[in-house]
Amino acid sequence: DTGVSQDPRHKITKRGQNVTFRCDPISEHNRLYWYRQTLGQGPEFLTYFQNEAQLEKSRLLSDRFSAERPKGSFSTLEIQRTEQGDSAMYLCASSLDRFGAKNIQYFGAGTRLSVL
Amino acid sequence: AQKITQTQPGMFVQEKEAVTLDCTYDTSDQSYGLFWYKQPSSGEMIFLIYQGSYDEQNATEGRYSLNFQKARKSANLVISASQLGDSAMYFCAMREGGRAGKSTFGDGTTLTVKP
Repeated sequence: DTGVSQDPRHKITKRGQNVTFRCDPISEHNRLYWYRQTLGQGPEFLTYFQNEAQLEKSRLLSDRFSAERPKGSFSTLEIQRTEQGDSAMYLCASSLDRFGAKNIQYFGAGTRLSVL
Repeated sequence: AQKITQTQPGMFVQEKEAVTLDCTYDTSDQSYGLFWYKQPSSGEMIFLIYQGSYDEQNATEGRYSLNFQKARKSANLVISASQLGDSAMYFCAMREGGRAGKSTFGDGTTLTVKP
């Protein structure tokens, strides 16, 4: 069990550029979540997948944000036309959802995005 | 809507002493889960402890215990025998519903352990 892996750890980009982040969940986990965390605050939910299906999206996820989880394995989060307000830590988590399980979300180390 | 409140922005504790981090929550659901996570300066969120709303006993995991008072809607984290490595940000979180997805987090408490 290698844990949740996120790549890259840090990303610096210029305003208006597109960025893509990758998350590899714990191998047997069927759920994958994306959160955004700004300085001094707790993580805010963005979206989550059950296998390859995207089941819920937050209102925080504007049209510039898109997430995919092809084949129910790794996931990507893309931000188009980045804005300075997108600067944050993007956290990925995964969990095993089955009857009777606690469905605990385990987090990766995050991708820190800085938009100049 | 679910809400988590952590009223202590910062806490200090002497090494080897116990400390309690407060968390209150608001929900209309009968079924929910409560979690505590630790976030060191490196940024990774580390799962510490879980309490289900129907669990009759308070959860314990090593030096961590959760003081669950359902009627008061509080889920305080108790860390016994504090260590220097416990210095970090601590987040309380809640997941509503039996099999719902997202978790709602509080704004965290920064714990500093003094030698």
